[in-house]
Amino acid sequence: DAGVIQSPRHEVTEMGQEVTLRCKPISGHNSLFWYRQTMMRGLELLIYFNNNVPIDDSGMPEDRFSAKMPNASFSTLKIQPSEPRDSAVYFCASARTGGWFGYTFGSGTRLTVV
Amino acid sequence: QKEVEQNSGPLSVPEGAIASLNCTYSDRGSQSFFWYRQYSGKSPELIMSIYSNGDKEDGRFTAQLNKASQYVSLLIRDSQPSDSATYLCAALNNNAGNMLTFGGGTRLMVKP
Repeated sequence: DAGVIQSPRHEVTEMGQEVTLRCKPISGHNSLFWYRQTMMRGLELLIYFNNNVPIDDSGMPEDRFSAKMPNASFSTLKIQPSEPRDSAVYFCASARTGGWFGYTFGSGTRLTVV
Repeated sequence: QKEVEQNSGPLSVPEGAIASLNCTYSDRGSQSFFWYRQYSGKSPELIMSIYSNGDKEDGRFTAQLNKASQYVSLLIRDSQPSDSATYLCAALNNNAGNMLTFGGGTRLMVKP
C-alpha cells in the first residue's frame, strides 16, 4: 500500500493567489481528514469526510477555504485567495470507518504564502 | 470543549533511560487512545493504540491507560537518540463522530 499520498510536497505562492492541495487516501479507508499544523496552534482539524460526504467543517477558518471529495480516492483543499497567515503544513489523513485503528497521515504539504 | 492535555516539554533523558510521557483527557466518553510520533519536518506516525485499562507492550514501548483517572501514558525503555521526536497523544469518542482529538505533543530529547 502506498499510504496516503499528498501533492505537492511544497508550495510557495504569492498572496492573493489560489492554492489547491491534493490528497489520495488509502484504498478502503472511508474517512478522510484535512489538518493544518503550525508551531503556535499545533494540529488543527479543518474538515473531515465520511464516504465522500463532508461531516464537520467547523474547523475551516474562513470562506476562503473549501474542500471537496468527488470520489473515494481523491480530495482537494483549496484556498482562494491565499494570505501569508495561511502558511503552514497541511496534512491529509485517512481512516477506516469509525477510526478505531487510528488515522494514517500523508507526508503533508508545506505551504508558504509570501 | 473536549481536550487532550500534554506537557510540551522538552523532556530530556539520557540514552538508555526510561522516558515517561503523560497525557490527560477531559471527555469521559473517549474509548480509544493513540500515541503518534512526529519527527521534525515529518508527518505523525502511529506507534501505539490502547483501548482497555492497563498496560499494552510493544517492543520498547508500553502504553498505559487509566480511564478512571482519565490518564494515558507512554513509556519508552532503553531510550535511543533516534527516539528524539514530538509525541502526540490522541483520544477517540466514537459516539461523537470518529474524530481524533490530539494533544499539543511532548518534545522528547534523548541525549547520547
